[in-house]
Amino acid sequence: EAGVTQFPSHSVIEKGQTVTLRCDPISGHDNLYWYRRVMGKEIKFLLHFVKESKQDESGMPNNRFLAERTGGTYSTLKVQPAELEDSGVYFCASSQRTLVYQETQYFGPGTRLLVL
Amino acid sequence: QQQVKQSPQSLIVQKGGISIINCAYENTAFDYFPWYQQFPGKGPALLIAIRPDVSEKKEGRFTISFNKSAKQFSLHIMDSQPGDSATYFCAASRQGGSEKLVFGKGTKLTVNP
Repeated sequence: EAGVTQFPSHSVIEKGQTVTLRCDPISGHDNLYWYRRVMGKEIKFLLHFVKESKQDESGMPNNRFLAERTGGTYSTLKVQPAELEDSGVYFCASSQRTLVYQETQYFGPGTRLLVL
Repeated sequence: QQQVKQSPQSLIVQKGGISIINCAYENTAFDYFPWYQQFPGKGPALLIAIRPDVSEKKEGRFTISFNKSAKQFSLHIMDSQPGDSATYFCAASRQGGSEKLVFGKGTKLTVNP
């Protein structure tokens, strides 16, 4: 079974540019999460999709970040315009949505974003 | 405000030794406490998890100890091996809603041969 995949693995852009990150969850996983780790800090929650709907976007830092999950499959996270403080590793995770308590979240390898 | 505090930041252990990583949380609504292991270039992977109805859970060389009254939990790695060298994250979440994970800052473990 394929795991969570993310593209690109690395991205270096200049301040003010736009970057779009993509996440393909494990097939059949309705839950999709985005997290971010800024250097030296903890991994922080950004938002949560259930299928194509945003369940919780309380962690999104500001309106420069836009996440979508068309058709409830893959998801994109767009940063426009990028700022220096957006640099970090962006992780995507997915899990099944069942009545079972706390399904495991499976993480992708992350996208390392550097804004210069 | 950091909801999950993890220590130490880094840890060096000799092969065969015991590695201990500690975490403390503030939100008493948390009811799921996983530990994730991350190797360089990879994403975090679930190692072991515990719920507050038990005080200890063991899987092979890995044990979680949980102290609900103190709001603390720890990971013990027995007979540590060089292959255990990785970054370890504790996390917490609560059932219902998004079940988002709240992470500690991570501990970089190095096991010397």
